[in-house]
Amino acid sequence: EPEVTQTPSHQVTQMGQEVILRCVPISNHLYFYWYRQILGQKVEFLVSFYNNEISEKSEIFDDQFSVERPDGSNFTLKIRSTKLEDSAMYFCASGPMGQGNQPQHFGDGTRLSIL
Amino acid sequence: RKEVEQDPGPFNVPEGATVAFNCTYSNSASQSFFWYRQDCRKEPKLLMSVYSSGNEDGRFTAQLNRASQYISLLIRDSKLSDSATYLCVVNINEGDKIIFGKGTRLHILP
Repeated sequence: EPEVTQTPSHQVTQMGQEVILRCVPISNHLYFYWYRQILGQKVEFLVSFYNNEISEKSEIFDDQFSVERPDGSNFTLKIRSTKLEDSAMYFCASGPMGQGNQPQHFGDGTRLSIL
Repeated sequence: RKEVEQDPGPFNVPEGATVAFNCTYSNSASQSFFWYRQDCRKEPKLLMSVYSSGNEDGRFTAQLNRASQYISLLIRDSKLSDSATYLCVVNINEGDKIIFGKGTRLHILP
């Protein structure tokens, strides 16, 4: 069964540094998403991406964050000038259609630790 | 009122018992509903979509009550492997943003 893959599984970064989290969505999917989950808290939507542009974003997704699909397979989340509160599990997800019609398939996440 | 609200539990249930979870949502315009399960420090995995007519998948039954704005999940003949956190997920409008509840923790006891 095809799956969403994320790298690295764990990223440790000094506060203030930039970090890039990488995702390879399922190949025939058209919609891509990033979520985060702070330890012990709920999963929070960050951003959705379709047709090479952001289709929706949450209030969490401020100017510190950006997403990119640099080629036909990768989907990246960049966090500039990381803060301690950015420490969380970051999940990438993809779907063949918009979420309103089809549930999403999640990668197994990148644990980001900001020191 | 929170957008998606769940009893956090934990529910400690003996193996073989039946357990039910409820979830309430605040936005009456919500379109799509799902139950996911999440194991400790793992990604959410889709358990089942929830349809207006109710739906069943093996030991799992999901119900939607639009009038009262709640969703339920029933697990029959519970197994040790059912131990997990169950997440209620709601699509608020026709866009791509989905809202997760905080989840209900379930522990199946041998």
